[in-house]
Amino acid sequence: QLQLQESGPGLVKPSETLSLTCTVSGGSINTDSSYWGWIRQSPGKGLEWIGSIYYTGSAYYNPSLRSRVTISVDTSKNQFSLNLNSVTAADTAMFYCARLCNTGTGGRGNPDCWGQGTLVTVSS
Amino acid sequence: DIVMTQSPDSLAVSLGERATINCRSSQSVLYSPNNKNYLAWYQQKPGQPPKLLIYWASTRESGVPDRFSGSGSATDFTLTISSLQAEDVAVYFCQQYSSAPLTFGGGTNVEIK
Repeated sequence: QLQLQESGPGLVKPSETLSLTCTVSGGSINTDSSYWGWIRQSPGKGLEWIGSIYYTGSAYYNPSLRSRVTISVDTSKNQFSLNLNSVTAADTAMFYCARLCNTGTGGRGNPDCWGQGTLVTVSS
Repeated sequence: DIVMTQSPDSLAVSLGERATINCRSSQSVLYSPNNKNYLAWYQQKPGQPPKLLIYWASTRESGVPDRFSGSGSATDFTLTISSLQAEDVAVYFCQQYSSAPLTFGGGTNVEIK
């Protein structure tokens, strides 16, 4: 049974970089049929797709965040990671990693398996 | 970006009655070459991540009870719970995966009347 687990600091200071890792277990990240993505949820903005990555390293980002986001993959550890720089209080949210299935070009798909989420607060 | 608009924001239904949630996209999510609608529905309970219920607008995910059904095409979609159960109290979201960026509806809160 596929499981995803987010890890990383729960508190980040304004202007610094938010870094999270998603560890995939019960299945391999090296699969042709899935993307691996990050999605955040906040009361103000609802659910927001941050970006997706393929096991080859091809990454796709939401244009609204593209200038601040990097998603990377480490197939040897069955993990993928999110870096979001220059954070502000508006980036405070629950962050989820997920597997995306029924995929199309450009990182598209629908998340069918989600991590439990990790709350990240941006505050000094 | 494709904007997903759900209605109503909140819905109170008696146990055993039908619940209907609507989702409208600002552009068609129907891909003509394969005649598929790139639309999914999710259920989210407090403290939990969203759970996939329906994809391709009307295909139930494995293990989802058959009281949940999806319908619609192009820009107008509906999620129906045919006989509301207590465990169906949750927030429901639609999501389009027709074009990037992926976008979600604002959610519909379903409660028991």
